[in-house]
Amino acid sequence: AQKVTQAQTEISVVEKEDVTLDCVYETRDTTYYLFWYKQPPSGELVFLIRRNSFDEQNEISGRYSWNFQKSTSSFNFTITASQVVDSAVYFCALSDPMGYSTLTFGKGTMLLVSP
Amino acid sequence: KAGVTQTPRYLIKTRGQQVTLSCSPISGHRSVSWYQQTPGQGLQFLFEYFSETQRNKGNFPGRFSGRQFSNSRSEMNVSTLELGDSALYLCASSPGEGANGELFFGEGSRLTVL
Repeated sequence: AQKVTQAQTEISVVEKEDVTLDCVYETRDTTYYLFWYKQPPSGELVFLIRRNSFDEQNEISGRYSWNFQKSTSSFNFTITASQVVDSAVYFCALSDPMGYSTLTFGKGTMLLVSP
Repeated sequence: KAGVTQTPRYLIKTRGQQVTLSCSPISGHRSVSWYQQTPGQGLQFLFEYFSETQRNKGNFPGRFSGRQFSNSRSEMNVSTLELGDSALYLCASSPGEGANGELFFGEGSRLTVL
């Protein structure tokens, strides 16, 4: 069975601090996709990144960066110089062998960035 | 491009009633999937429809059902509501082919069962 663990339930930082959100996954598949989604208070999940299991290159997009390590089954997300607008719940997710639109989500990490 | 639209946004029902939620996907998207979000269980996959056919189904009782119309709009129905069905129901759309999990979510329908 697939599983995604986000051990951090809630993180509080002050603006401009760097913060890393952890994600550990379990799967028996050799081909899979990992994702991060952001859920602001309005409710809709916003896609941030997709990484396939064969691409372990780290990725940077502005203040966001992702570290994928297959050896430790981790896909961590770092926000550099956090801003109040980054406050949201962040979900890590794993594609399911049943289908492309079937994702197994972690329980989420609530990030609170205070001014 | 309009996003995913879900209606109603909020609703209150009583135990034993049934409810129908609607989802209009992004124009051109052929896949619609539904997720239930609760504080205890988190986000759980309900089902996915592609070209009017149910492609996948999550581990939910038969009281949860859905369908997709020829214009890709989708509805989900929950019959004989239970208190535990109180949740945020999220609909997501994707092109359906090669999207590999890049889903576009609506703001959800928040159901409260009393």
